Amino acid sequence: RKEVEQDPGPFNVPEGATVAFNCTYSNSASQSFFWYRQDCRKEPKLLMSVYSSGNEDGRFTAQLNRASQYISLLIRDSKLSDSATYLCVVSTGSARQLTFGSGTQLTVLP
Amino acid sequence: DGGITQSPKYLFRKEGQNVTLSCEQNLNHDAMYWYRQDPGQGLRLIYYSQIVNDFQKGDIAEGYSVSREKKESFPLTVTSAQKNPTAFYLCASRFQGANYGYTFGSGTRLTVV
Repeated sequence: RKEVEQDPGPFNVPEGATVAFNCTYSNSASQSFFWYRQDCRKEPKLLMSVYSSGNEDGRFTAQLNRASQYISLLIRDSKLSDSATYLCVVSTGSARQLTFGSGTQLTVLP
Repeated sequence: DGGITQSPKYLFRKEGQNVTLSCEQNLNHDAMYWYRQDPGQGLRLIYYSQIVNDFQKGDIAEGYSVSREKKESFPLTVTSAQKNPTAFYLCASRFQGANYGYTFGSGTRLTVV
């Protein structure tokens, strides 16, 4: 079983749609949780951290359920510029090593 | 401007050769990391270093070596022992501490020819 598992995707949605990504992690000792965005052939960039209380940044809402070891990302009012691969990431260990999911590809269509 | 620089952006290597990928940061970050990404897959940890002159193996360290002689620099050598080195290599750094995020370099795309 992979340490971090994500929806396989790809997701192709029309502009303005709401899209939800799910992720589960296997290590209950994981300490921090993130969503990263990766554009084609570029480095990942931090989209947002994920907190147990849930957090929102504009059109993006992230949720964490530690009991279920489940993380989600909701994107409202999708824009063409949201097209990218979204990586679910958890950190563990004394060095806060990041473990990445394999990513979910999103394409927002005009 | 502060940042993390990887070079070269593209690198071609003949089979059997060692190559070194450069990673330099001027963010005064304590910890540095090397990841590898294969097509359609997530990033996998190769090596990491929390302080100068110390480093630890990640999940896929075989065939790689690193050094951390300076805080700013964490070069990765891909040796001839690495069986399948063609991949996208990403370097990252962060401050030590619970909630500090990572900064990634723009990556080196290595191709074995």
